[in-house]
Amino acid sequence: GENVEQHPSTLSVQEGDSAVIKCTYSDSASNYFPWYKQELGKRPQLIIDIRSNVGEKKDQRIAVTLNKTAKHFSLHITETQPEDSAVYFCAASHPSNYQLIWGAGTKLIIKP
Amino acid sequence: DVKVTQSSRYLVKRTGEKVFLECVQDMDHENMFWYRQDPGLGLRLIYFSYDVKMKEKGDIPEGYSVSREKKERFSLILESASTNQTSMYLCASSLQPGPKVVLHFGNGTRLTVT
Repeated sequence: GENVEQHPSTLSVQEGDSAVIKCTYSDSASNYFPWYKQELGKRPQLIIDIRSNVGEKKDQRIAVTLNKTAKHFSLHITETQPEDSAVYFCAASHPSNYQLIWGAGTKLIIKP
Repeated sequence: DVKVTQSSRYLVKRTGEKVFLECVQDMDHENMFWYRQDPGLGLRLIYFSYDVKMKEKGDIPEGYSVSREKKERFSLILESASTNQTSMYLCASSLQPGPKVVLHFGNGTRLTVT
C-alpha cells in the first residue's frame, strides 16, 4: 500500500527566512497531495494542495511543488513569520479509494 | 463554514472502562473519520464511515469500535480502555469521495487512561 515519509521531523528557522518540508510517497498512482497545518492546541486545517497534473502551486507565501518522477512533493514557506509556527502534515491520496495516507508531521519553529 | 464538534476536550478514564467519544458535524457530509494522533506517528486512521450504519476499518482498529446511527454523528468506542490508548483523538468529516479529499477536523479529545 501507499507510504508517505516526511522530513524533517523538526525544523527551526529564523524569522524572515524560508522553510522547506519534504515528503516522498511510494505509489506512483497517487494523484492528490494536500498539506495541513496544525497550530498548538488547534485542529489541522488544509492550507494548500496539488493535483498530479500540476507541478507547482502558490498561494501568497506558501507553495507546493510536485516531482512525479521522483515521487516527492515539498512545501515551501517564504518570509516566515511567528504565526507559521505549527506542525505541518503532508498526505497522499490514491484514486482507488481516495483515502489520505499521512506523513508523520514536521514541527516548524520560527525563531524571533 | 463546516463545524465538527467533539463532545469532550479532555477525558481521564481508568483501565478497563468503556469509553465513548462523540463527534457531530453540521454540513451533511457523507464521510466521517476517527484518527489518533501521537507524536512522531502522525495521524493514524482508526475507523471511517461512508454512510449511515456503514463502517470500515482503518489502519489501527484493534481495541476500538464505532457507531454511526445518524448521518451527522460518529461515535468512537473503546470497549475496555487500556493505557496504550492514551492519545489525542481527532474526528473529521468530508464530502463524498473524490479526487480532492478535504477533511474538516474537530478540535480533538485528549484521552488519558490511568
